[in-house]
Amino acid sequence: SFVLTQPPSVSVAPGQTATITCGGKNIGSKGVNWYRQRPGQAPLLVVYHNADRPSGIPERFSGSNSGNTATLTISRVEAGDEADYFCQVWDSSSDHSRVFGGGTKLTVL
Amino acid sequence: QVQLVQSGPEVKKSGASLKVSCKASGYTFTNHGISWVRQAPGKGLEWMGWISLYNNNLNYGQKFQGRVTLTTDTSTSTVYMELRNLNSDDTAVYYCAREIVVVPSTVYFDSWGQGTLVTVSS
Repeated sequence: SFVLTQPPSVSVAPGQTATITCGGKNIGSKGVNWYRQRPGQAPLLVVYHNADRPSGIPERFSGSNSGNTATLTISRVEAGDEADYFCQVWDSSSDHSRVFGGGTKLTVL
Repeated sequence: QVQLVQSGPEVKKSGASLKVSCKASGYTFTNHGISWVRQAPGKGLEWMGWISLYNNNLNYGQKFQGRVTLTTDTSTSTVYMELRNLNSDDTAVYYCAREIVVVPSTVYFDSWGQGTLVTVSS
């Protein structure tokens, strides 16, 4: 089934911009969703359908998707953004499975 | 508000079966499907399967085909996940999650249960 590739870790200083990528073959044709997971908590949706934000998610969180790479961008990073981030798609062209990337640990320096 | 409340932690022996419940509230139960996702200790998220609460259609992940069964009780707005023939690799936190579909190409999880820790020992 569809494979999503994320970098294991990303580090950024407070106030800077964090960029987390999610690679997949022609991922630009799919809707990509992003989840934040803090230790001991359930995942939380932060971006859906490539670039939309659920209510309550700050504008600092944004997404894009084109070609073979989707990107989650977190502007003006805060200490509270430190968490694991997962991308996810629906493999509608194959077995209709829901697929997660391996996750990226965001460290705020 | 949308809530998904799961059953409590479980300890199982290898070879046993597991059944976890997920009770939904705060929305019309039959309007959205439910997926199950698990997370082994220190690992990523792994999708297990989906059930439609509208028509009970099912879709299981290839890895779990033949070993997992999803069922519903519409009268109590509860979804159940049964996993058979457990082994130590099934030790994980199991989550249920409500699905939203944006045609034609997006399915996402907007609400999650609190998770159920399952420990499998030999």
